[in-house]
Amino acid sequence: NAGVTQTPKFRILKIGQSMTLQCTQDMNHNYMYWYRQDPGMGLKLIYYSVGAGITDKGEVPNGYNVSRSTTEDFPLRLELAAPSQTSVYFCASSLTSGGSYEQYFGPGTRLTVT
Amino acid sequence: GENVEQHPSTLSVQEGDSAVIKCTYSDSASNYFPWYKQELGKRPQLIIDIRSNVGEKKDQRIAVTLNKTAKHFSLHITETQPEDSAVYFCAASNYGQNFVFGPGTRLSVLP
Repeated sequence: NAGVTQTPKFRILKIGQSMTLQCTQDMNHNYMYWYRQDPGMGLKLIYYSVGAGITDKGEVPNGYNVSRSTTEDFPLRLELAAPSQTSVYFCASSLTSGGSYEQYFGPGTRLTVT
Repeated sequence: GENVEQHPSTLSVQEGDSAVIKCTYSDSASNYFPWYKQELGKRPQLIIDIRSNVGEKKDQRIAVTLNKTAKHFSLHITETQPEDSAVYFCAASNYGQNFVFGPGTRLSVLP
């Protein structure tokens, strides 16, 4: 299993540009999550999904959109990028059966908006 | 919504000593409390977790305790080693949804 994979690893955007961060997991996990982590800070949940076709907002959803058309993929869309969106973005997934909610994180995407 | 506080923000201990990190949460509906270790430039990795129906859980040198009444939980690391140096995050969640993380504790284990 590759686990949770994210692309790209790094990206530089100009203000106002848009992009999609890709996230794929091959563990047949039902839950998936997007977080951002600013330098020296904790993780903030942007959006999460409990299954294909179902998404919900986390703590910091403004400026982002998500979709979950398949179990495996959970892309994060940034529209009209702003410098405040400069951060490291982590995708995660978990299999919520048997009372386990352990999250498996991807390697992250480092995004700079200038 | 849920709010998670974490203390201390930095912690230095001598190798072999114990380290304790404490977190408090606000939402009594939260029922899952994981702890993550994050090394510089790496992804967070789960080191231990606890459900709300359990008061304590131990895995070798690492233990977590939960006090539901007081809404706080703690990470205990015994016999610390230099490789334990990292940033540690606590989190709270309701059935694996809507995770809220603490701001982190930078642990330094001095040789």
